[in-house]
Amino acid sequence: AQKVTQAQTEISVVEKEDVTLDCVYETRDTTYYLFWYKQPPSGELVFLIRRNSFDEQNEISGRYSWNFQKSTSSFNFTITASQVVDSAVYFCALNSGYSTLTFGKGTMLLVSP
Amino acid sequence: DAEITQSPRHKITETGRQVTLACHQTWNHNNMFWYRQDLGHGLRLIHYSYGVQDTNKGEVSDGYSVSRSNTEDLPLTLESAASSQTSVYFCASSEGGRGNTEAFFGQGTRLTVV
Repeated sequence: AQKVTQAQTEISVVEKEDVTLDCVYETRDTTYYLFWYKQPPSGELVFLIRRNSFDEQNEISGRYSWNFQKSTSSFNFTITASQVVDSAVYFCALNSGYSTLTFGKGTMLLVSP
Repeated sequence: DAEITQSPRHKITETGRQVTLACHQTWNHNNMFWYRQDLGHGLRLIHYSYGVQDTNKGEVSDGYSVSRSNTEDLPLTLESAASSQTSVYFCASSEGGRGNTEAFFGQGTRLTVV
């Protein structure tokens, strides 16, 4: 069975602060894929990143960065210099190769001006 | 541009009625999925399909059914709507394969069962 835990239910920051969203996963498969999705207040789900289990390189995309560590089964997401537009619910998800995503319960990020 | 669309976007129905939510994708993806989103639970998988005539039960399939007669559509049917099925429903699609491609989601359908 696969499981994703996002222990932070809600995080509140002030604009320009850095914030890290935690994601811990469980799977017995050696090949798997990790994802982050963003759900803004409008409700749609927006794909942010995919990482496979053989690629532990950290990734940076503008103000977003992701830290994948197999040793701790974590795939954390950091937003640098947060902005109000970053306010959303963020979901971490795991696919162990059977094409069905298992989602964490999400972390609601509130960025205030 | 390819897309995935759900209809209706909002629906109110009565307990015991049969309800069908539509999902149509133009990505030509083999895989299609239905999830429900509830506060405190995140997204949970209801049913999924890997291709035409293929359907599989997910984590919370009781009370729901799907059928896949073509590549583009995966309608979700609530056989006899219950208040516990009040939720936001998301349809998604992805390319075939071993999960190494991202899923694209529809805009969601907010269903209220009264």
